Amino acid sequence: EAQVTQNPRYLITVTGKKLTVTCSQNMNHEYMSWYRQDPGLGLRQIYYSMNVEVTDKGDVPEGYKVSRKEKRNFPLILESPSPNQTSLYFCASSLNSGAGQPQHFGDGTRLSIL
Amino acid sequence: SQQGEEDPQALSIQEGENATMNCSYKTSINNLQWYRQNSGRGLVHLILIRSNEREKHSGRLRVTLDTSKKSSSLLITASRAADTASYFCATNTGGFKTIFGAGTRLFVKA
Repeated sequence: EAQVTQNPRYLITVTGKKLTVTCSQNMNHEYMSWYRQDPGLGLRQIYYSMNVEVTDKGDVPEGYKVSRKEKRNFPLILESPSPNQTSLYFCASSLNSGAGQPQHFGDGTRLSIL
Repeated sequence: SQQGEEDPQALSIQEGENATMNCSYKTSINNLQWYRQNSGRGLVHLILIRSNEREKHSGRLRVTLDTSKKSSSLLITASRAADTASYFCATNTGGFKTIFGAGTRLFVKA
């Protein structure tokens, strides 16, 4: 089954404790992206990757890091999480980045930073 | 800043009625997409309309695009309780970014 898998689905942690949210897709997609969703603000793009070893900032990259060492994986790293990063996070992928292809989304990761 | 903004923010209708949601955007686009999000789940792609298209259909969905007014509408005909969800428009300006609006929450009463 074609899917985007995120882990963990839920996480409660404390300020400053490094964490990683993993994202994996099994569709051989070139393009992957991370979004955060906050009430009233819709989805905002954090980082995206056009292919292996090619990443770029989205609209809200501060406080986040990503890497794309393999085509299928695109982890999101919070080196020193803060309470304003409490949010619902989504990973998405599409066949390629050309002309806004339809994206496949994971089921989300709800992060609470205390 | 948000490219796409949906209107209304929330909509409540009876089963069988039609639901119309609107999306306005600010800059020229390459394409516009609509997504659905069920509570607590990821977004699901519904339909994509390119800048040179004016109308597109998919089952009970009808999407229109007016590039002169920088707006799009999503019509769901003969709505069902299962259509209860949030609906988002997303725009692409030809680059690598896709920008989502804040969404319309649709509630269909059985």
